[in-house]
Formats: sequence, structure tokens, C-alpha cells
Amino acid sequence: DVKVTQSSRYLVKRTGEKVFLECVQDMDHENMFWYRQDPGLGLRLIYFSYDVKMKEKGDIPEGYSVSREKKERFSLILESASTNQTSMYLCASKTGVGVSDTQYFGPGTRLTVL
Amino acid sequence: GQNIDQPTEMTATEGAIVQINCTYQTSGFNGLFWYQQHAGEAPTFLSYNVLDGLEEKGRFSSFLSRSKGYSYLLLKELQMKDSASYLCAVLDSNYQLIWGAGTKLIIKP
Repeated sequence: DVKVTQSSRYLVKRTGEKVFLECVQDMDHENMFWYRQDPGLGLRLIYFSYDVKMKEKGDIPEGYSVSREKKERFSLILESASTNQTSMYLCASKTGVGVSDTQYFGPGTRLTVL
Repeated sequence: GQNIDQPTEMTATEGAIVQINCTYQTSGFNGLFWYQQHAGEAPTFLSYNVLDGLEEKGRFSSFLSRSKGYSYLLLKELQMKDSASYLCAVLDSNYQLIWGAGTKLIIKP
């Protein structure tokens, strides 16, 4: 079974703090994704990566950056957290082989910025 | 723009059948996914449709009509554990997933 883990289930930070969210997958997947999920909205793609050290902006990259130094690990960084970044953050991974390949999600990190 | 519409919430009775609809307008189409997400948990894959028609998988079936930009997820013999949100997502021409807001399904005894 594919396993995607995220470093924290719940996180509370102060405005202006630098925040690191980590995601690790154990299936040697090429592609990794960071989404945020807010009530009434679909999952929105922040960044994705299709290979080590490669990254692409998604739909809402502003205020975020990412790092992928190793294939299994994809980190999301909030350079200076703001209250409007309070959200559920979901990491996902998928193999790069087929169009229909499903994305496997981690359990999510619920971030609250005070 | 790209748009995926699903009802916000539905209620059904244990043992019954429910159909959750999804309509989409996207730039290109490379398939449609349905995911299930229990409260506080990760979304998990249910189905993928790229050709028109019905795909059956146990108690769950998924239908696609590309000409109408329409899909539905059919759940039969509902169980309490089916209470969850159901997410529709379309793979667009750039092979990016466009997600609907999800349908919260409430099952009553």
C-alpha cells in the first residue's frame, strides 16, 4: 500500500512565523503535490513537483514556496504566515507513468495562524 | 474559466440508493475522478472514467457523458460508513486535476 505521511496533523502558528510542512511518500513516486482545502471550495493546487529539485506553480502559489531535495520528500514553506493561510493542507503523490494514475493523499495538516 | 459543480450536501437513508451529480466545464478533458473523503481524513480514490458509460465497482458505480459534461456517482445499499464527502475532479488538457467543492453525504438510519 502507498503511504503518504505528513509531519503534523495539527499546527498553530503566529502571524509572521516561518512554517514548514513536510510530506514523505514511500512508493518512489515521481510526482508530488501540495493542496489547500477550504470549506465550500475545491482542493486548490499550490505547487507540484515532477522530479527532484523540480517545481511548478499551481493555481495559488503566492505566499508559499516548496523544496524537493529528495524524491520521497516534498516540503511546503510559508515564508511569513498570515491569518488567511489558516487551512487544511493536503499532500499527494502519484507515479508519472499513466494519465489515469490516481493521486494518493496524506492525512492532512490543519494549520491555524493566529 | 474552468468550473466543476456538485451539490453541497445530500441526505439519504441507510439501505437506499443515492446519485451524486457532477457537471464540468474545463479546457480539455482527460478523464474524471471520484474520491471519497471522510471527515478529518485524506481523500481516497473511488473511480476513474475517460470513456462514456457506466463503470461498476461493487456498491459504487460511476457514469460519464463527455458530450454533456456530466458524471454521476451511484451508491447502492447505503451503509452508515458511506457518510462522507464525495469529490469530483477532472483532468484537464494540461493533465492538471480541477476539483469540485465536494458533496457532503449524510446517511440516516
